[in-house]
Amino acid sequence: QKEVEQNSGPLSVPEGAIASLNCTYSDRGSQSFFWYRQYSGKSPELIMSIYSNGDKEDGRFTAQLNKASQYVSLLIRDSQPSDSATYLCAVSGNEKLTFGTGTRLTIIP
Amino acid sequence: EAGVAQSPRYKIIEKRQSVAFWCNPISGHATLYWYQQILGQGPKLLIQFQNNGVVDDSQLPKDRFSAERLKGVDSTLKIQPAKLEDSAVYLCASSFLRVESPLHFGNGTRLTVT
Repeated sequence: QKEVEQNSGPLSVPEGAIASLNCTYSDRGSQSFFWYRQYSGKSPELIMSIYSNGDKEDGRFTAQLNKASQYVSLLIRDSQPSDSATYLCAVSGNEKLTFGTGTRLTIIP
Repeated sequence: EAGVAQSPRYKIIEKRQSVAFWCNPISGHATLYWYQQILGQGPKLLIQFQNNGVVDDSQLPKDRFSAERLKGVDSTLKIQPAKLEDSAVYLCASSFLRVESPLHFGNGTRLTVT
């Protein structure tokens, strides 16, 4: 079992709709959770961090964490073409940060 | 705030040659990471430094890869000799604290081994 799993996609979403990205992790001791966005040919950039169960909202982005289910998600509301990118889930625990393989998201105008 | 600096941006070498990458983290960031990202995959940690000490190098192919962080600031990653499968983007990142803090990435070095 991979430590951090994501659906590789591609995930296609119409412009203006909600994009939902999911991530599961195997280490129950994980403490910190991050979503990074990576445009093609660019480096990852942090868009959200979440540390406790529940929802965290930042503009059009909402991160959701459920530690009991070992599940973290990212919702993007009012999707824009500029949201087209690969989204990487990263999970930390025991001094180790592990990335998933990423989900490629395409917003269709 | 200046970002993480990396050089070179691109490098093409033949197999069995050696190559070195340089990274300068954000000022004040104690933790420095080197990641390897192969096309279509997520970043894979090669080595993590806390100041000038190694925290994790469990996935570093030590027979050919080496890294150092002198004086707890700049870092270099070396590959000698390179193999075809080393073709990837090498990303340097830094964070203020350890893995609980968000990572800031440099622009990366795209290595092509022919």
